Amino acid sequence: GAGVSQTPSNKVTEKGKYVELRCDPISGHTALYWYRQSLGQGPEFLIYFQGTGAADDSGLPNDRFFAVRPEGSVSTLKIQRTERGDSAVYLCASSLSPGGNTEAFFGQGTRLTVV
Amino acid sequence: AQRVTQPEKLLSVFKGAPVELKCNYSYSGSPELFWYVQYSRQRLQLLLRHISRESIKGFTADLNKGETSFHLKKPFAQEEDSAMYYCALKDVSSASKIIFGSGTRLSIRP
Repeated sequence: GAGVSQTPSNKVTEKGKYVELRCDPISGHTALYWYRQSLGQGPEFLIYFQGTGAADDSGLPNDRFFAVRPEGSVSTLKIQRTERGDSAVYLCASSLSPGGNTEAFFGQGTRLTVV
Repeated sequence: AQRVTQPEKLLSVFKGAPVELKCNYSYSGSPELFWYVQYSRQRLQLLLRHISRESIKGFTADLNKGETSFHLKKPFAQEEDSAMYYCALKDVSSASKIIFGSGTRLSIRP
């Protein structure tokens, strides 16, 4: 595709359930980022992949959150035992390389609502 | 610690008036600074980066290392400039995460 694609665009789940959010980066982009954006806030960093490995996962709030990128392309953000506080828009971005001067392209986000 | 501060949540100006969106940062390394914009119902997108020294849609931003600021300016606001604007930084010398500010909503009144 032409841009970063995230599925689903909306997800409503019950408290305590498990969810998976998917990100398809731009083809050839080695760097992939996950962010969480709560209402009225800027994107908050969660995790960054360079290729298949998580280069920086310092933003994951706790061990209920986990992300994978097994083949260095598609990434899945997994949230276990969801809580109402997890409700937010989850953004994915990719860039051609991890260097400082490369533009990150964002997906449209997945709006997660935990009820 | 790395931090980006945007002190204004909302900025409202009349069409044709000058615009300045404030951004201050805290970072000990060599930061690359960006402005991202999100128009209504669209995805977040890059507006400009300091290293390119470019003007995009009439907007410019100058990195002031002494004041650790990267304010976004436009001399004459247009209605289509209404959007959310996020200042962001990244370490230019290493692969790293992008840190965003909390954003400023710019509203242009006709």
